[in-house]
Amino acid sequence: GNSVTQMEGPVTLSEEAFLTINCTYTATGYPSLFWYVQYPGEGLQLLLKATKADDKGSNKGFEATYRKETTSFHLEKGSVQVSDSAVYFCALSGSGGNNRLAFGKGNQVVVIP
Amino acid sequence: KAGVTQTPRYLIKTRGQQVTLSCSPISGHRSVSWYQQTPGQGLQFLFEYFSETQRNKGNFPGRFSGRQFSNSRSEMNVSTLELGDSALYLCASSLAIQGTDTQYFGPGTRLTVL
Repeated sequence: GNSVTQMEGPVTLSEEAFLTINCTYTATGYPSLFWYVQYPGEGLQLLLKATKADDKGSNKGFEATYRKETTSFHLEKGSVQVSDSAVYFCALSGSGGNNRLAFGKGNQVVVIP
Repeated sequence: KAGVTQTPRYLIKTRGQQVTLSCSPISGHRSVSWYQQTPGQGLQFLFEYFSETQRNKGNFPGRFSGRQFSNSRSEMNVSTLELGDSALYLCASSLAIQGTDTQYFGPGTRLTVL
């Protein structure tokens, strides 16, 4: 079945540092890929998405490219702010009449001033 | 446009009881999905509804059920509650059930089973 793997453990970094969170996936067909962010006490917010190979999703300075050859969708931001502190989830959905999302475990990102 | 709303936001129940959670999707969205979020298991898919029909179901026992109404609002029910059912239950809505459709999440219902 479809699955998503995110790098283990929290990520702690200083303000203005470069952020990378790795995400790899296993899927049949042609899934769409998503990054969601969750702030404390809230639901999930869509950060960005890509629906086909080589697509780049971007939003609020975050970027991720759908790499079919490496089955990856790594999230990057060039200069993080304290307000980026949150939990980030990589997810994929099925293709064709299947909107079910499979999520990675999530990564807690803590940005220190 | 109003977002996805879920009621209630918090619930405390005791083992053996049953509970009903409600979700109102974004206006115009016809698909509603439910997910369970726990620290140990992460985010797990419960079920998905489109046009009042369950289209997909996750690997949960039959104590978990749901339905969707003609106005696309959805409810999920958990009977005979167990301690392990304590979780954040998230509802998400989307226009349809194509895999490319973005799912928009509500704030969740925090269920505590004592």
